Amino acid sequence: DIQMTQSPSSVSASVGDTVTISCRASQDISNWLAWYQQKPGEAPKVLIYSVSSLQSGVPSRFSGSGSGTDFTLTISRLQPEDFASYFCQQANRFPVTFGGGTKVEIK
Amino acid sequence: QMQLQESGPGLVKPSQTLSLTCTVSGGSISSGVSYWSWIRQPAGKGLEWIGRIYTSGRTNYNPSLKSRVTISGDTSKNQFSLRLTSVTAADTAVYYCAREQYYYDSSGYYPNHFDYWGQGALVTVSS
Repeated sequence: DIQMTQSPSSVSASVGDTVTISCRASQDISNWLAWYQQKPGEAPKVLIYSVSSLQSGVPSRFSGSGSGTDFTLTISRLQPEDFASYFCQQANRFPVTFGGGTKVEIK
Repeated sequence: QMQLQESGPGLVKPSQTLSLTCTVSGGSISSGVSYWSWIRQPAGKGLEWIGRIYTSGRTNYNPSLKSRVTISGDTSKNQFSLRLTSVTAADTAVYYCAREQYYYDSSGYYPNHFDYWGQGALVTVSS
């Protein structure tokens, strides 16, 4: 299985900050990478797919980049509703695997 | 707007079988190209993909669970279901059903990302 390693596991930030979350794949996954946001008690919600394509309805302050094995989710101008956990997911190789998650907390 | 809803027992005894159903509204599990998956998440932990069923009825299972998992579909009810046998406490988790959106190129269709999710169903394995 492809291992997806996220860092950091948690980050403290303030409203208005820019936050960067990294995701590293154990093998080249080309551009088969998606990012999800999950709030407590809720299902994950897709933010970005194919590395950098913004899901319909997702604010443009969310952006993704990277290729191969190293990927980044950037949240610009952090808003109160952005405090949540974020997961990456690869779909290049069977089986689908997810990163361990990054929790964005209020500083 | 597509909606998915999990249903089933919230408590299962060890060694017994976990059974959940996902009811889909606002879309058909049998139309076009679509993939319908089960994913689980133990409390405070990450997400684990369990398996999927295609529009055609073909299935894929995570090798880590393959010997215990069956996913089936009922097109007349627009539902798909999960059966997980011989459960232990390690199977305690929130179970989600989700639609997997596809990516298309000249080579064909490929599952890509999960765009619609159910709200999740907590299943506890305990005697």
